[in-house]
Amino acid sequence: DAGVTQSPTHLIKTRGQQVTLRCSPKSGHDTVSWYQQALGQGPQFIFQYYEEEERQRGNFPDRFSGHQFPNYSSELNVNALLLGDSALYLCASSFGQSNTGELFFGEGSRLTVL
Amino acid sequence: EDKVVQSPLSLVVHEGDTVTLNCSYEVTNFRSLLWYKQEKKAPTFLFMLTSSGIEKKSGRLSSILDKKELFSILNITATQTGDSAIYLCTGGSNYKLTFGKGTLLTVNP
Repeated sequence: DAGVTQSPTHLIKTRGQQVTLRCSPKSGHDTVSWYQQALGQGPQFIFQYYEEEERQRGNFPDRFSGHQFPNYSSELNVNALLLGDSALYLCASSFGQSNTGELFFGEGSRLTVL
Repeated sequence: EDKVVQSPLSLVVHEGDTVTLNCSYEVTNFRSLLWYKQEKKAPTFLFMLTSSGIEKKSGRLSSILDKKELFSILNITATQTGDSAIYLCTGGSNYKLTFGKGTLLTVNP
């Protein structure tokens, strides 16, 4: 049973560029949440997708956007990259929109912005 | 704004020591308190606590929640080098987890 998978694992971009990160949830899960983890910090909630719609959003600018596909996989897009966007981006999946029990996390995508 | 504060932020112990990690939280619409272990990248689930005063145990790890004082602790007894990791405390509300900064635990042989 595959867990949460994310791609790419590492990527390097320059300021002003755009990036797309991808996530496939654990089998049987229908909800995907994205978190940003800067160095030395805990993960911060970006947004949650359920039934192909953004349901909840954390304190992140509109440069951060996402999408969920009919197969429950999800993308995170970040436009006009800033140096401060350098972080580990974690995808977490669960079953049900209001489930705040155990989330299953992927290995993350390490983004470096130069 | 929801807030989770962990202490200490880092801790160095010797194998065999017992450690206690602390977590205080202020989370609107609080539903659960969770502990995760993060060794390299993906946080892995340790415990979920929803009721006060009921200790959860898994091997050498245990945790308890105090919903009146908005506080939780994670205990690790007889520490091993494999326990070296970042331990994340997080408060769950209706739809999201609010994480603390984590406690970096280093267990030396």
